Amino acid sequence: KNQVEQSPQSLIILEGKNCTLQCNYTVSPFSNLRWYKQDTGRGPVSLTIMTFSENTKSNGRYTATLDADTKQSSLHITASQLSDSASYICVVSAGKRTSYDKVIFGPGTSLSVIP
Amino acid sequence: DTAVSQTPKYLVTQMGNDKSIKCEQNLGHDTMYWYKQDSKKFLKIMFSYNNKELIINETVPNRFSPKSPDKAHLNLHINSLELGDSAVYFCASSQMGTRDEKLFFGSGTQLSVL
Repeated sequence: KNQVEQSPQSLIILEGKNCTLQCNYTVSPFSNLRWYKQDTGRGPVSLTIMTFSENTKSNGRYTATLDADTKQSSLHITASQLSDSASYICVVSAGKRTSYDKVIFGPGTSLSVIP
Repeated sequence: DTAVSQTPKYLVTQMGNDKSIKCEQNLGHDTMYWYKQDSKKFLKIMFSYNNKELIINETVPNRFSPKSPDKAHLNLHINSLELGDSAVYFCASSQMGTRDEKLFFGSGTQLSVL
């Protein structure tokens, strides 16, 4: 069964600190993995996309890693800011033709950055 | 200009009523979607249209009927609303076949059925 799990469910950190969010998946065949950021009251916005051959990808203070062997991904946030407070959703696509063939969303990690 | 816009932002209605949510994208994408986000924040796909043709129809009650008059619009009509329909509904779009086929989401419509 295609499934995406995320941990922790929620996280509170102090402004300026780093944090790492985890994503485990059982999706086959694997196409790509994305991290989305969803601010309260808004739709998700893509942060990164990673394919099978990519191990690391950065987008500013966000760095995503992918271990296709263990089927794990992480999103590392450096020097957190108050605006990083949001839900971070791991999304894995299955299938070979196009990424929308089967898109599986994780439950998200709710991150709160406090001053 | 908003890339994917959906209206209304909030919708409060009585059980049994019929309501519609509209969605428009100005990104020139050929594929549009409707997602439902429940109270546990899981996003689940409901429908997908590519060039006005239905390509994904997950297990959704037939009270939900999408309509795509052109590839820039995908509206969602819901008949005989039930309490369990309360959720946030997101419209999204993407361009099929591109390497980075990411979804662009609207801001959501929060539907409350009383």
